[in-house]
This record gives sequence, C-alpha cells and structure tokens, in this order.
Amino acid sequence: GENVEQHPSTLSVQEGDSAVIKCTYSDSASNYFPWYKQELGKRPQLIIDIRSNVGEKKDQRIAVTLNKTAKHFSLHITETQPEDSAVYFCAASINSHRGNKLVFGAGTILRVKS
Amino acid sequence: DGGITQSPKYLFRKEGQNVTLSCEQNLNHDAMYWYRQDPGQGLRLIYYSQIVNDFQKGDIAEGYSVSREKKESFPLTVTSAQKNPTAFYLCASSSSGTSGARRRSSWETQYFGPGTRLLVL
Repeated sequence: GENVEQHPSTLSVQEGDSAVIKCTYSDSASNYFPWYKQELGKRPQLIIDIRSNVGEKKDQRIAVTLNKTAKHFSLHITETQPEDSAVYFCAASINSHRGNKLVFGAGTILRVKS
Repeated sequence: DGGITQSPKYLFRKEGQNVTLSCEQNLNHDAMYWYRQDPGQGLRLIYYSQIVNDFQKGDIAEGYSVSREKKESFPLTVTSAQKNPTAFYLCASSSSGTSGARRRSSWETQYFGPGTRLLVL
C-alpha cells in the first residue's frame, strides 16, 4: 500500500528565514497531495494542495512543488513568522473503487524563533 | 470546516466499557473518515465511508466499529477490545464519494472536525 515519509521530524528556524519540509510517497498512482497545519490541541487545517498535473503551486508565502518522476513533494514557507509554528502534515491520495483516502506523513514540528 | 462537529470534546472510558464518539457534518459531503492521532505518529485511518450504509476498514480498524445510517452522521464506537484507546480522534469529511454504480470520483479536500480526546480511567 501507499507509504508516505516526511522529513525532518522537527525544524527550527529564525524568524524571517525559509522553511522546507519534504515528503516522499510510494504509489505512483497517487494524484493529489495536500498539506495540513495543526496547532496544539486544534484540528488540522488545509494550507495548500497540489494535483499531479501541476509541478508547482504558490499561495503568498507558501509554495508546494511536486516531482512525479521521483515521487516526492515539498512545502516551502518563506519569510517565516512566529505564528507559523505548528505541526505540518503532508498526505498522498489513494483512489480505488472502494473509495478515496489519504495516507499521512508522520508530521514535522516547525518552531520559528523570534 | 466549521460544518463538522464532534462530541464530546473529552471522553473518559472505564476498562471494559464501550464508548461512542459523535461526528456530524452539514456540508452535504458524501465521504466521511475517522482518524486516530498519537504523538509522533501522524494521522492513522480507522474507518471511512463513501456513501450511506457502506464503510471500509482503514489501517487500524481492530477494536473499533462504525455505522453510516445517515449522510450527515458517522459515529465511531471504541469497543472494549481496543486495549490502548487513549488518543486524539479526528473525524473528517469530503465531497468525494460514489454514487449509483460506485464509479471512481474526483478527489476533494478533507475537512476536519475539532476532535475528541479519549482518556482511560
């Protein structure tokens, strides 16, 4: 089945610097890759997603890149701010006749130091 | 994601007891999901349902049961067979699903509820 690996598990950056989180997936049929941000004790919130027919997507300070050949995708946060501190999860889709589901990475704890 | 509610926020279970977690959505979403979250392990899929009266096991279904009698509701029961139930339980929904002959549908975003924290007494 699909396996999603996420690195690093923790990331500490200085305010204003960039942060990059990387994920790899195993199922070449996966075609949807969302990123979620989860603050302590709260629900995961979608921050950006990308589909397999696109190589890059950007939304203000957040961007996601996808390399289908290598089966990896990355989250880029520029000009980090203290409120970016949270746990970030990547996910990859599995679509089948039994339904659609996501497989999540283990998460990255991002700390932005001011 | 404000259209998905979970209750209660905290739940305490005694040994040998079954407990049920509620998940309701008013987004008219076809698909609903239950995840378990433990520290350092991300989100693991327990059960999911694409249409009413149908559901599928996820990766960690043992010790859990679900029902999907209404489109809006997808309750999760943690049975006494689940020996380590302490975790944060998250429900999600998406508009992807099947209709009629269960054809594959396009993917849609999953929106999460606020979660239920289950603790064992």
